[in-house]
Amino acid sequence: NAGVTQTPKFQVLKTGQSMTLQCAQDMNHNSMYWYRQDPGMGLRLIYYSASEGTTDKGEVPNGYNVSRLNKREFSLRLESAAPSQTSVYFCASSEQGTANYGYTFGSGTRLTVV
Amino acid sequence: QKEVEQNSGPLSVPEGAIASLNCTYSDRVSQSFFWYRQYSGKSPELIMSIYSNGDKEDGRFTAQLNKASQYVSLLIRDSQPSDSATYLCAVLNYGGSQGNLIFGKGTKLSVKP
Repeated sequence: NAGVTQTPKFQVLKTGQSMTLQCAQDMNHNSMYWYRQDPGMGLRLIYYSASEGTTDKGEVPNGYNVSRLNKREFSLRLESAAPSQTSVYFCASSEQGTANYGYTFGSGTRLTVV
Repeated sequence: QKEVEQNSGPLSVPEGAIASLNCTYSDRVSQSFFWYRQYSGKSPELIMSIYSNGDKEDGRFTAQLNKASQYVSLLIRDSQPSDSATYLCAVLNYGGSQGNLIFGKGTKLSVKP
């Protein structure tokens, strides 16, 4: 039982480069989320998807795009990376589309933009 | 802007003591509350959820909720060095098409042997 799988685990990008962070869950959850975690700032929501085919902006969506490819997969894309996007990125999923039962998190992607 | 506030710590307690972690939230209509534990360099893991006023116990952990005071706490009894971690309080926010969690910045707990 893998839970939520994120790839890659580590990445270094140059300013202006693009990349896609991948996330997949095998728990048949409806809802998926992308958060970033920065020292002193806590976890902040970037985008979320209530169900396959729907996505919504969170607190800090600028500079990011998402795709809910199917029920299992939810990817996060940085089109033109900036040093301010250096962070740890967590994907999460939850049951029943309301987050009432809390999240299951992936192991995170540590991204550095130089 | 809905907010979840926690004392950043560090909170230091001796082994075997009770650790008390506190959290306040701004949205009066919030109904669901969660505590996550995050070890350094790892992802958050859910340890407690609470939805009703009062206490909820699970092993050495007790979550307490007071909706009138907009306050939720986590007590860890018989604290162990392995409990040393950052504890995140989270509140369910209903916005848009469904809910998502708003997290506090976390309280760092250190349990000294």
